[in-house]
Amino acid sequence: DQQVKQNSPSLSVQEGRISILNCDYTNSMFDYFLWYKKYPAEGPTFLISISSIKDKNEDGRFTVFLNKSAKHLSLHIVPSQPGDSAVYFCAAWPEPNAGKSTFGDGTTLTVKP
Amino acid sequence: DTGVSQDPRHKITKRGQNVTFRCDPISEHNRLYWYRQTLGQGPEFLTYFQNEAQLEKSRLLSDRFSAERPKGSFSTLEIQRTEQGDSAMYLCASSSPGTRAYEQYFGPGTRLTVT
Repeated sequence: DQQVKQNSPSLSVQEGRISILNCDYTNSMFDYFLWYKKYPAEGPTFLISISSIKDKNEDGRFTVFLNKSAKHLSLHIVPSQPGDSAVYFCAAWPEPNAGKSTFGDGTTLTVKP
Repeated sequence: DTGVSQDPRHKITKRGQNVTFRCDPISEHNRLYWYRQTLGQGPEFLTYFQNEAQLEKSRLLSDRFSAERPKGSFSTLEIQRTEQGDSAMYLCASSSPGTRAYEQYFGPGTRLTVT
């Protein structure tokens, strides 16, 4: 069973518009959630995180929203830039000091100039 | 360059051969993780170390897989008697323990192709 799901394999947006990437999870024990960005031929790069005690965390153009009751999180990128084109993974941890994380299968974002 | 490094970047081997990959974490990080990623999927957790101690292993890590981190610095991942299903990207990551242990820094990966 896949505990972290990213149901949209791909997303295409126009430069300057908002990109919204979604992630759903099933395990209520998850307590921390992260987004990673991955360019081809590189490893994933940590982008932003949120703990379950918050419903929003913002870092520059990136904002993550968490809806615990719906077991849903989303990443908003505003405004989108062509350099944001990458694969975005969400990941979940049961606690900040745990060793094992669970990743979704990723969403490929394409930002068109 | 103070990031996570992995060697080799690519490895092509024949079925049945043994392969070994190396990961050098960020020097001040005492946690080290191994993941496997296949096409179209996210990274799957294999195992992690805190210093030299291997604290958790996934059921994905069969008897043919072994990981070591003998001095708490670099780590090796060995696959014995490789199978075609082992073809994947093997990612290494490191982090500091504590409240921000989830902020993992990944290396570029080793792409394994088993023919």
